[in-house]
Amino acid sequence: AQRVTQPEKLLSVFKGAPVELKCNYSYSGSPELFWYVQYSRQRLQLLLRHISRESIKGFTADLNKGETSFHLKKPFAQEEDSAMYYCALTDNAGNMLTFGGGTRLMVKP
Amino acid sequence: DTGVSQNPRHKITKRGQNVTFRCDPISEHNRLYWYRQTLGQGPEFLTYFQNEAQLEKSRLLSDRFSAERPKGSFSTLEIQRTEQGDSAMYLCASTPSGGPYEQYFGPGTRLTVT
Repeated sequence: AQRVTQPEKLLSVFKGAPVELKCNYSYSGSPELFWYVQYSRQRLQLLLRHISRESIKGFTADLNKGETSFHLKKPFAQEEDSAMYYCALTDNAGNMLTFGGGTRLMVKP
Repeated sequence: DTGVSQNPRHKITKRGQNVTFRCDPISEHNRLYWYRQTLGQGPEFLTYFQNEAQLEKSRLLSDRFSAERPKGSFSTLEIQRTEQGDSAMYLCASTPSGGPYEQYFGPGTRLTVT
């Protein structure tokens, strides 16, 4: 069965500090990995996906198949990055998403 | 088209009552998904449609739950004989079929069963 684990419920950093939100997954095939974000009073939205290999709002994530991880990183956190972040995977058929439990990122001034 | 919409946004009901939620996907999105999210957890998949066909259902979807998508447009999720454990946020998402698999989420319907 596929599973996504985000070990940290809460991550608190100061503005300008580096950020790493951890995500580990288990899946028998080759999944597609995503990071979704939910800002306060907004709906869940896609932040980035591994196949795009792009940086969004300064965030990057590298898929490490050996360690089955897809950690989200940003070198310098901003206050507007404060939000709930969810790691998710889906199979190549593009069916349902399996989400991790989420990590709340708080960036303090 | 302003995105996926869901109605109602909030629903309070007494245990044992039936409730129905509606989701209107983005126009021309063939796939429609329902998820449930409880406090402190990530969303959990319930079911999804490709056009009007319901292709997959989670084991979380007990017999009291039923979903439809007549004519492949909007979808409804009905919960019969609600229980307190049904209290959650119910999310709907849509995506075009064939990829690129980004799911666009609605604002959700928050159900409270008293």
